[in-house]
Amino acid sequence: ETGVTQTPRHLVMGMTNKKSLKCEQHLGHNAMYWYKQSAKKPLELMFVYNFKEQTENNSVPSRFSPECPNSSHLFLHLHTLQPEDSALYLCASSLSLGEGVEQFFGPGTRLTVL
Amino acid sequence: DAKTTQPPSMDCAEGRAANLPCNHSTISGNEYVYWYRQIHSQGPQYIIHGLKNNETNEMASLIITEDRKSSTLILPHATLRDTAVYYCIVRQNSWGKLQFGAGTQVVVTP
Repeated sequence: ETGVTQTPRHLVMGMTNKKSLKCEQHLGHNAMYWYKQSAKKPLELMFVYNFKEQTENNSVPSRFSPECPNSSHLFLHLHTLQPEDSALYLCASSLSLGEGVEQFFGPGTRLTVL
Repeated sequence: DAKTTQPPSMDCAEGRAANLPCNHSTISGNEYVYWYRQIHSQGPQYIIHGLKNNETNEMASLIITEDRKSSTLILPHATLRDTAVYYCIVRQNSWGKLQFGAGTQVVVTP
């Protein structure tokens, strides 16, 4: 499989549940990202990882907990979410954080919090 | 990062060229112009990027004005599958951050 994959594609969870989103990239990239896209809002960057190290946390609430065990995998652990957290969560990767480097996005996980 | 201004929507006839404008009057010398598009309910797709010179690839052409305060994305022969939201982004590269705005909703009609 090539590119950036995300699982699950759709997720419905209650506010007391704990779930995890998974992202995997098969591009040999070293940087990975989580974005959130709420209805009728622009994409918002959540986290950036470079060589497994977190380099950016865009003031994300602690109920979202990222994990990057290696450069190919990125997780977003979810617990005690709120209905307003319902959104499309997108993972992306890039070769590096450097100049003129494009990011490749996965298809996203559509999350609904009841 | 410099802010960008794009028209909220535009229509284009199938087979014709689509010219998408973007203003970025506060761009600084080391900031690249990126274009992405997002087809409904899918992840954004990279189209093209440039710094000073005009760029062309298999998807589109990017024309950047000499003062770099605006740019135009050109889809040479629009198809129905080009219907999407197109984002113009100016990014200072050292942080890897892409700051998406509202973009331009492009609708290609038969």
